[in-house]
Amino acid sequence: GAVVSQHPSRVICKSGTSVKIECRSLDFQATTMFWYRQFPKKSLMLMATSNEGSKATYEQGVEKDKFLINHASLTLSTLTVTSAHPEDSSFYICSASMGTSSYEQYFGPGTRLTVT
Amino acid sequence: ILNVEQSPQSLHVQEGDSTNFTCSFPSSNFYALHWYRWETAKSPEALFVMTLNGDEKKKGRISATLNTKEGYSYLYIKGSQPEDSATYLCASFSGAGSYQLTFGKGTKLSVIP
Repeated sequence: GAVVSQHPSRVICKSGTSVKIECRSLDFQATTMFWYRQFPKKSLMLMATSNEGSKATYEQGVEKDKFLINHASLTLSTLTVTSAHPEDSSFYICSASMGTSSYEQYFGPGTRLTVT
Repeated sequence: ILNVEQSPQSLHVQEGDSTNFTCSFPSSNFYALHWYRWETAKSPEALFVMTLNGDEKKKGRISATLNTKEGYSYLYIKGSQPEDSATYLCASFSGAGSYQLTFGKGTKLSVIP
């Protein structure tokens, strides 16, 4: 149980285009979903936290207008990287938590974004 | 300690050897310590969630200990197997009501057959 999928696993796009990444909880309802980013040889860094039906909370230094997060249902959250630039190339990974009191997070397999 | 630190960054062991690695975390406002096992191209898999000082948890050949007063946790693997090859992440969860996990960079383990 507690499986999270993420799509696509890998995407290459041109500079200036937008890319949407989907994160789905397959067998549970995710009250809260999280988006992380990992640069080479660095730790996973939390970008934002989203609760179903409400606006995402972004971490300091993460541009909310550039990284649009939608958590429209209890099983789906999307991250859209708008007007992507080469410096946005990174590994993006989502996680999901069930229940408002649970701190266990279940991760997707991640998305490798390359902006050319 | 302000951040979550893991050591070593990577290590290679022979099949059958036992090994261990360290996670250091801020001891103030500690709530829980998570260990994940992350194989390439797969989702990080939760191994342990530890909350109590002195806690020791075991899952097959893998075990972990926790010292919340000094801010460290050890992960042990007994009789390493090639399928244990993965990156092992630890993450500190601080403060009730907050869901933020702060991750270390991970320890990449390679088990040589």
